[in-house]
This record gives sequence, structure tokens and C-alpha cells, in this order.
Amino acid sequence: QSVLTQPPSVSAAPGQKVTISCSGSSSNIGNNYVSWYQQLPGTAPKLLIYDNNNRPSGIPDRFSGSKSGTSATLGITGLQTGDEADYYCGTWDSSLSAGVFGGGTKLTVL
Amino acid sequence: QVQLQESGPGLVKPSETLSLTCTVSGGSISTYYWSWIRQPPGKGLEWIGYIHYSGSTNNPSLQSRVTVSVDTSKNQFSLKLSSVTAADTALYYCARGYGTSAFFDYWGQGTLVTVSS
Repeated sequence: QSVLTQPPSVSAAPGQKVTISCSGSSSNIGNNYVSWYQQLPGTAPKLLIYDNNNRPSGIPDRFSGSKSGTSATLGITGLQTGDEADYYCGTWDSSLSAGVFGGGTKLTVL
Repeated sequence: QVQLQESGPGLVKPSETLSLTCTVSGGSISTYYWSWIRQPPGKGLEWIGYIHYSGSTNNPSLQSRVTVSVDTSKNQFSLKLSSVTAADTALYYCARGYGTSAFFDYWGQGTLVTVSS
């Protein structure tokens, strides 16, 4: 059971927008920065968003992040078939003194 | 461009110690939080621990089985996981982390470790 809760799957049509939620508590999301990762099949995770809403160099602005209270959201606009992947949220848990991740969300672009 | 590469045995016997090394190229290992993260087949990510010049921190769920160390002369850091069981079978990644923000910007390709007799 993951410390952070994500929906197992989401789907949307090409060109549409999708959001992926990540729910936690005051010991993790509520008081620490959130990051998001994209894991394409058979590859290592790739950093998409850090510090709640910042994109590393090279990540298109179709990807966005936000945080409110003890929840965070990843948004993807202009969906492409190449966006089909597993997406994970992550943060630090101050009570556990450990890095924590969500269980992952599989995105299907119909 | 920073690159990370894991190396180590792909098969470990139950009750033995899993040992992996991550070689870092394209940057100094003297800063940042050098981390190990694993992913059981078909499952999600689990943070194992990190090493930093100020010390190391491990996931409490793995208790005292984990040791993460660094060899700055070789630009490498290592993972030792003792008393392994089948539950430790996973794809093991090394990654570069940022402590206060706890995000990982560079990852190795991962190495599969199977625990089996």
C-alpha cells in the first residue's frame, strides 16, 4: 500500500486534456515539495515536474503541476499517443523520514 | 550530461546480501543526494535510501538491512541489502536526488535483481 494515493488508470482521447491526482497527508505533500515522473514501457522514470510546478529543461509546457493542501495534480494537455505511460508522484515524508511515491497511474490515450 | 550506470549480480540467493554499484559520469558525486530506488515487477516505485556528504538515510521499512555508501575516488556509490527474500526481487535504479525537494533528476537504466535459490 503506497503512502501517496493515485488513481490506477486514466484515459482520454488524443488532443484532449487529462489530470492525475495524488493524495497524501500533512507529513508528506502538505509540508513538502511534490515531483512527478513519467515511465514509458521498459524505461527508467523521467522527471516531469519538480518543486510542485516546475518543469526541467526539455519538458514541454503541455505538462503542468499544482499542489493544494495535501493533494497534488499533474495536468497534461494536447494528449499524444506517445504520452501513454505510467505516471508517479513523489515527495518526502517528514514523519517516516523517507522518500515516498504514489502507486502510479497508467495513462491510456484512446 | 550526467549519466548513471548500475552494476552487480542479477541473481542472489535467499538470506544472502544483495550488492550493487552505481557509477556516475559527467558530474561530481561530492554533492547531491545519491539514491537507490527499486520497482518490483509490475509494481510501483519504492525509495530505498540515499548517501550525501552529510551522511545517509534509509527507508525505515527496510530497517537495518540497508547500507548505502560512497567512494568519491571512483565516483561511485553502492547499495548493500542483507538477508534478502523473494520480496526483494526488483528492478533497482540509482538516481541523483535533491534533499530538501526530494526529487530525482537523473536515473540509471536499472538492473534486475532476482532472489532465488
